[in-house]
Amino acid sequence: AQKVTQAQTEISVVEKEDVTLDCVYETRDTTYYLFWYKQPPSGELVFLIRRNSFDEQNEISGRYSWNFQKSTSSFNFTITASQVVDSAVYFCALTAYSGAGSYQLTFGKGTKLSVIP
Amino acid sequence: DSGVTQTPKHLITATGQRVTLRCSPRSGDLSVYWYQQSLDQGLQFLIHYYNGEERAKGNILERFSAQQFPDLHSELNLSSLELGDSALYFCASSVGLAGTETQYFGPGTRLLVL
Repeated sequence: AQKVTQAQTEISVVEKEDVTLDCVYETRDTTYYLFWYKQPPSGELVFLIRRNSFDEQNEISGRYSWNFQKSTSSFNFTITASQVVDSAVYFCALTAYSGAGSYQLTFGKGTKLSVIP
Repeated sequence: DSGVTQTPKHLITATGQRVTLRCSPRSGDLSVYWYQQSLDQGLQFLIHYYNGEERAKGNILERFSAQQFPDLHSELNLSSLELGDSALYFCASSVGLAGTETQYFGPGTRLLVL
């Protein structure tokens, strides 16, 4: 069975600090896809990044960076120079094949990030 | 804005009642997924439709049902509501069936059962 663990329930940082959100996953599939979503206080789920299991290159997008390590089954997310607008719940997710050509997302419990001005 | 729309945004109802949540996928997307977000269970997959056909069921109660119409919009029907059904219900859409595809989420419908 697929499983995503986000061990950090809540993190608080002071503005401009760097912060890393941890994600560890379990899957028996050899091909799989990992995602990060952001849920700001307004409640919507915003897609941030998708990474496939073949591509272990780290990715940087502005202040955001992602570190995918297959050896440790981890897909960590770092925010550099955090800002108050980064305050949100961040979810890591993994695709799981449900059969009949259907892929569903298995989510972690989320990490609530609070950036204090 | 993801391009996925959901109505209503908020819904307050009483136990035992029935409600219908509506979702319109992004233009061109054939797949619609429903997820439930509750405090105790987190985000859980409920059901997936592709081009009008049910493709997969997750942790969906028998009191809940869904369908996808020819214009590709989808409805999630919740009946005999209980207090524990209070949650945020999300609809997501993707182009097709591939696991490579990103699911884009709507703003959600917040259901409160009193």
